[in-house]
Amino acid sequence: KAGVTQTPRYLIKTRGQQVTLSCSPISGHRSVSWYQQTPGQGLQFLFEYFSETQRNKGNFPGRFSGRQFSNSRSEMNVSTLELGDSALYLCASSLAIGRPGANVLTFGAGSRLTVL
Amino acid sequence: AQKVTQAQTEISVVEKEDVTLDCVYETRDTTYYLFWYKQPPSGELVFLIRRNSFDEQNEISGRYSWNFQKSTSSFNFTITASQVVDSAVYFCALEADRGSTLGRLYFGRGTQLTVWP
Repeated sequence: KAGVTQTPRYLIKTRGQQVTLSCSPISGHRSVSWYQQTPGQGLQFLFEYFSETQRNKGNFPGRFSGRQFSNSRSEMNVSTLELGDSALYLCASSLAIGRPGANVLTFGAGSRLTVL
Repeated sequence: AQKVTQAQTEISVVEKEDVTLDCVYETRDTTYYLFWYKQPPSGELVFLIRRNSFDEQNEISGRYSWNFQKSTSSFNFTITASQVVDSAVYFCALEADRGSTLGRLYFGRGTQLTVWP
């Protein structure tokens, strides 16, 4: 079965622009989480969505937002890009059944954003 | 607060050597889950193992084994007879069992493992 698909894989933007990243979860997975990976901060949690509702959010400014659609696909948006937003953005999906930790997150290959 | 520490930033070994990657965690929750993920150069995080806090049994899967010790808050990962294909960044992660942490993994900084032929 198809894995988690993220698009685009690579993109270059300039400061002040905005960007939208897309994530298609594994079929049947209802939860989508987003993580930012940078050399300086490592892997940091952005937010998690389930049934089109944001259930959890990490410590990122309001410039970072996301949403989930009825088919579980998710998008994240970063507005007014800054140089420090350059990172690998990883999306993960899970079945989200039962207790936390009972569901393994399956990650996509990521979208690598470079801000110039 | 949840925290995962991987003190080893980089490890280099020669093929067929055994290597252990260390992971120490901090949490006040009594129920939690520990994970190991592998990140090859392609970028995708690949799930390796999950352990819950009530299961301290060690696990072996082929050349991989994991040692979970609650007394020392450690969840170490050993690769036996390493191979070049094992070269990757390995992440240890923690998820607490509470509603506010749904879908949220706390990752260590990762250990870059390089296996030389």
